Amino acid sequence: NAGVTQTPKFQVLKTGQSMTLQCAQDMNHNSMYWYRQDPGMGLRLIYYSASEGTTDKGEVPNGYNVSRLNKREFSLRLESAAPSQTSVYFCASSPPGLAGVEQFFGPGTRLTVL
Amino acid sequence: EDQVTQSPEALRLQEGESSSLNCSYTVSGLRGLFWYRQDPGKGPEFLFTLYSAGEEKEKERLKATLTKKESFLHITAPKPEDSATYLCAVPDSSNTGKLIFGQGTTLQVKP
Repeated sequence: NAGVTQTPKFQVLKTGQSMTLQCAQDMNHNSMYWYRQDPGMGLRLIYYSASEGTTDKGEVPNGYNVSRLNKREFSLRLESAAPSQTSVYFCASSPPGLAGVEQFFGPGTRLTVL
Repeated sequence: EDQVTQSPEALRLQEGESSSLNCSYTVSGLRGLFWYRQDPGKGPEFLFTLYSAGEEKEKERLKATLTKKESFLHITAPKPEDSATYLCAVPDSSNTGKLIFGQGTTLQVKP
């Protein structure tokens, strides 16, 4: 089991460029999440997908779009990158069940927007 | 408003010096409290889940406890390899599986 995988590990973009961050999980989890982590701000939820075919906004969705491609894959797209989107991005997944279940995280993508 | 606060922000210990990290929370209807460990440059790694006041979980030198308003992560006789950032999180009141994370406590254990 690879768990949660993310690609790429590092990325440098220029302002206005677009890119897609990829995430996949092999644990047969229903729910998947995208977070960003900034110094002093902790982990903040960008978007989440409770199940295949559904997506919802989190705390900081502006400037991002997501696609739940299938049960395994959940991608995050930056259409026009801005320096404020420089951050570390984490994907997570959680098993089905009651709301109180733990999430499992990927290794992260470190994004710099110049 | 749902909220999670961790203290202290940073903690320096000598090897063998036991201490505790605090996580206080405000949420309607607690449905679990989660502790994670995060090493520099890596994703958070799940440690414990606590569901009810009075519950305790242990793993090596770590013991997590839960009351109605807060959780403690006790570190007994820490070693340098315990150095990391420790995060706690609770599900928010929406019952959708979303977690609210605290800012974390960065622990440094010196040999």
